[in-house]
Amino acid sequence: KAGVTQTPRYLIKTRGQQVTLSCSPISGHRSVSWYQQTPGQGLQFLFEYFSETQRNKGNFPGRFSGRQFSNSRSEMNVSTLELGDSALYLCASSFGSGNTEAFFGQGTRLTVV
Amino acid sequence: AQTVTQSQPEMSVQEAETVTLSCTYDTSESDYYLFWYKQPPSRQMILVIRQEAYKQQNATENRFSVNFQKAAKSFSLKISDSQLGDAAMYFCAYRSAGGATNKLIFGTGTLLAVQP
Repeated sequence: KAGVTQTPRYLIKTRGQQVTLSCSPISGHRSVSWYQQTPGQGLQFLFEYFSETQRNKGNFPGRFSGRQFSNSRSEMNVSTLELGDSALYLCASSFGSGNTEAFFGQGTRLTVV
Repeated sequence: AQTVTQSQPEMSVQEAETVTLSCTYDTSESDYYLFWYKQPPSRQMILVIRQEAYKQQNATENRFSVNFQKAAKSFSLKISDSQLGDAAMYFCAYRSAGGATNKLIFGTGTLLAVQP
């Protein structure tokens, strides 16, 4: 069974640009969550999608957005990039909710210059 | 709002010895889940162990066990017979059992070094 796949693994962008990150969950999983990991702020929850609907959102500005497709693949978009957006972005997939395990991808390392 | 605190930024243990990583949390909820995740240099988060708050029995997974003290809101991880492969960043995490969400709230992590 394939794990959670995040693409690309590494990305370098310039301030002001926008970026789209992709996450393919484990087959059969309908929940995808996104996290931002930085040395200063640690791991912070961005948002969660379940069956194409956003059902939870973290405390991030509107420049951060996401969506989920009918095949459960998810994308997150960051517009008007700032230097502080440099981080490791992790995606986690779960089968449903409740007593289910979250499986993480290897992350996308975004560097904003 | 729920919070998770890990007060040990770094820990070190000799190979084959035992080490305990600390975690405390704050919540007003009565039903929740607690987790320990391991993040090696590869960056992929790996679930080490999980505890359901309604279970009094401490969870155990091979060399990994927890000491769950619900009243004290404490959730420590004990690693027995430490191995070089245990070296990693360890995160304690909380998830609410209600509200149909998989949102995890993480602590700041403890970097574990294993000395040969």
